[in-house]
Amino acid sequence: EPEVTQTPSHQVTQMGQEVILRCVPISNHLYFYWYRQILGQKVEFLVSFYNNEISEKSEIFDDQFSVERPDGSNFTLKIRSTKLEDSAMYFCASSTGLAGTYEQYFGPGTRLTVT
Amino acid sequence: AQSVTQLGSHVSVSEGALVLLRCNYSSSVPPYLFWYVQYPNQGLQLLLKYTSAATLVKGINGFEAEFKKSETSFHLTKPSAHMSDAAEYFCALGITGGGNKLTFGTGTQLKVEL
Repeated sequence: EPEVTQTPSHQVTQMGQEVILRCVPISNHLYFYWYRQILGQKVEFLVSFYNNEISEKSEIFDDQFSVERPDGSNFTLKIRSTKLEDSAMYFCASSTGLAGTYEQYFGPGTRLTVT
Repeated sequence: AQSVTQLGSHVSVSEGALVLLRCNYSSSVPPYLFWYVQYPNQGLQLLLKYTSAATLVKGINGFEAEFKKSETSFHLTKPSAHMSDAAEYFCALGITGGGNKLTFGTGTQLKVEL
């Protein structure tokens, strides 16, 4: 069964460093998303991406964040200068976008620890 | 604006007992509703979905949920709990159109005791 994959599973970085989190969405999906879950809190939407551009972003997704689909399979989230409060589990998700099938399929997550 | 409320951050049941996890939503447009399960150190797995067809939806692992518009609820149930059901459960809301974000509830940790 097709699944969303994410790498790395765990990343430790120092405050101020840039990190890139990588995702491979399900191959025939058209919409891609990033969410994050701070430890003990709920899953929060960051950004959605369609047709090579951001379709929606939350207030969390400020200028320190960017997303890119550099080729036909990868979808990346870059944090330019990490802060302690960026420590969280980051989930990538994808969906077909077809009418009536709005469910999103999530990857296993990347745990980002900023020290 | 959309929101999801999950009553009870922790629910404990005995093995074989009924599982009831509560979810209420608020939406200005017809919602799509989902339940996801998260096992320890894993990602979110889709349990079931409501997308305006049948109001009683069945999912994996014997779970089902009923959409009640009058009560703005989408509670998750399972007739008989199994130890393997212990996990965190998230209710999520989406709206019409592909590519729209999901709004999640705060989650309910289900504990199953012998």
